[in-house]
Amino acid sequence: AQSVSQHNHHVILSEAASLELGCNYSYGGTVNLFWYVQYPGQHLQLLLKYFSGDPLVKGIKGFEAEFIKSKFSFNLRKPSVQWSDTAEYFCAVNARSNTGKLIFGQGTTLQVKP
Amino acid sequence: NAGVMQNPRHLVRRRGQEARLRCSPMKGHSHVYWYRQLPEEGLKFMVYLQKENIIDESGMPKERFSAEFPKEGPSILRIQQVVRGDSAAYFCASSPNPGQGETQYFGPGTRLLVL
Repeated sequence: AQSVSQHNHHVILSEAASLELGCNYSYGGTVNLFWYVQYPGQHLQLLLKYFSGDPLVKGIKGFEAEFIKSKFSFNLRKPSVQWSDTAEYFCAVNARSNTGKLIFGQGTTLQVKP
Repeated sequence: NAGVMQNPRHLVRRRGQEARLRCSPMKGHSHVYWYRQLPEEGLKFMVYLQKENIIDESGMPKERFSAEFPKEGPSILRIQQVVRGDSAAYFCASSPNPGQGETQYFGPGTRLLVL
């Protein structure tokens, strides 16, 4: 069965610190990969996604993620976080052979101190 | 273009009552997904529907839960005889094309509390 694991459940950073959130998935076939963000009181929004091509994907608000197929990983990065990045971050996967349903990790809560 | 809409945003029910959650997809989207988020957990897929059809219900509990997406009107997730364990946030997402790499756009969720 497919699964997604996010290693960090709660991360606290100061502004301007660099961010890396880990995401590993378990599935033997071809996948599409997503990072969603949920700001306090808001709905989930897509940060970035990977389907094919360049494994380094750039998203909104200065975020990027790198797909490393050999490691089954899709880590999210940002060189310098801001207080407004405080949110919950979800990694998600769907297998290209299925109906498009997303399998989510358990989420990482990021708290950025001003 | 309005986003995905869900109502109610908050719903309180007593054990044994029925809960009806509604989801209106984005304009032009005919594919709807329902997810449930239990406290301290990630979102879990429940069901995928196209207009008038259930395509994948592999994540739906076998009893008390049902979903529909009629030709006209919103998609409905119905929970009969609710229990405390049904307390969760229920999210709906829509997309314009079936599955694969298409982005799913999420609604604000319905927070269900069962007393």
